[in-house]
Amino acid sequence: SQQGEEDPQALSIQEGENATMNCSYKTSINNLQWYRQNSGRGLVHLILIRSNEREKHSGRLRVTLDTSKKSSSLLITASRAADTASYFCATDNAGNNRKLIWGLGTSLAVNP
Amino acid sequence: DTGVSQDPRHKITKRGQNVTFRCDPISEHNRLYWYRQTLGQGPEFLTYFQNEAQLEKSRLLSDRFSAERPKGSFSTLEIQRTEQGDSAMYLCASSLGSSGYSYEQYFGPGTRLTVT
Repeated sequence: SQQGEEDPQALSIQEGENATMNCSYKTSINNLQWYRQNSGRGLVHLILIRSNEREKHSGRLRVTLDTSKKSSSLLITASRAADTASYFCATDNAGNNRKLIWGLGTSLAVNP
Repeated sequence: DTGVSQDPRHKITKRGQNVTFRCDPISEHNRLYWYRQTLGQGPEFLTYFQNEAQLEKSRLLSDRFSAERPKGSFSTLEIQRTEQGDSAMYLCASSLGSSGYSYEQYFGPGTRLTVT
């Protein structure tokens, strides 16, 4: 079953622009994680944000988490062609689950 | 740290045949996960292990699927009597883990299964 829903499903921008992707989820979480997938490197973990955190940065990535709205956003600043990939959010649900529940992903195309 | 490896990378089989995939996790990781992914979808959870114990198996997984992780090291995923609907990318991931909490997962390159 899918927990997260990413929005938009697809995004096309020019190199140098910022890209924002959103993720909504349904149940209480321990943490939320963002992953990137492209044909060259497979699925790669980008950033993990815990339920008691509101914002986290990693290089050109900025993730926010709003637990009252059950939503998260991923911002990629100064995008590069190499950022072209699918981006997934995955939630670690509070409770006895120890697995991640994945969304359907946002497909990002960064045009040179 | 050599990362997560999977073997084979590609498998073509005829309907009705059995197939087995292998995953070697990062050595210090106690958790190992299997996922299935089809085009345009996110990873779909199949099962996971903590050390050698299989702690959860997806309700979507039929009895034709079985997984093992002997000695808490590598893992195998077997599909018996394959069907065309089993065609997908099978992903393995490993992570550290503690009770009631999940950490970031490290994925292998996947095994692409095609059932003809």
